[in-house]
Amino acid sequence: DAKTTQPNSMESNEEEPVHLPCNHSTISGTDYIHWYRQLPSQGPEYVIHGLTSNVNNRMASLAIAEDRKSSTLILHRATLRDAAVYYCILRDVTGGGSNYKLTFGKGTLLTVNP
Amino acid sequence: GAVVSQHPSRVICKSGTSVKIECRSLDFQATTMFWYRQFPKQSLMLMATSNEGSKATYEQGVEKDKFLINHASLTLSTLTVTSAHPEDSSFYICSARRQVNQPQHFGDGTRLSIL
Repeated sequence: DAKTTQPNSMESNEEEPVHLPCNHSTISGTDYIHWYRQLPSQGPEYVIHGLTSNVNNRMASLAIAEDRKSSTLILHRATLRDAAVYYCILRDVTGGGSNYKLTFGKGTLLTVNP
Repeated sequence: GAVVSQHPSRVICKSGTSVKIECRSLDFQATTMFWYRQFPKQSLMLMATSNEGSKATYEQGVEKDKFLINHASLTLSTLTVTSAHPEDSSFYICSARRQVNQPQHFGDGTRLSIL
């Protein structure tokens, strides 16, 4: 599997933007970049995904580098409810590809200060 | 939005008991469901993948006779932890997906404690 590298933790202040980086230098041409987050004692929640172009949705924006070796998840105005572990995942399409498994790394623990 | 319901949310039982966890996709048909396990302060570990009507595919190191998975319909998958022991205590999370090119949606997990 192509791997991702994320900082272990980041801090932000409430109502300020947050930029969560992810490096994926071994990404292949058909790997999608997915972001999920996990709030304490809950299952993960889908945030956003993209392939080459930047993506926006109601939760966040995803900025993808031109060479696709890195990406950044952008929360435009952090709230206390955004405190979670954020996972950057390259979707596994190898080995026959029919299952497209999500393999979770350690993610980034985001702390939001009031 | 896509909703996945997992039940029960918490189980406490004695060693040797078998425990069944249900995972339902409430507003969509899930062709594939996934079962994960998460130990404290660790990331999610995929246990198995199940497609409706087929036998589950287990990840390396996961005992299929220990963790029985049934995916009998497009909206329901069950995980049965057979003869559970204290080392099976963990946070079990299911996930469902409509189609291969769509996001996975997760349940809120089941915290299993074996005494």
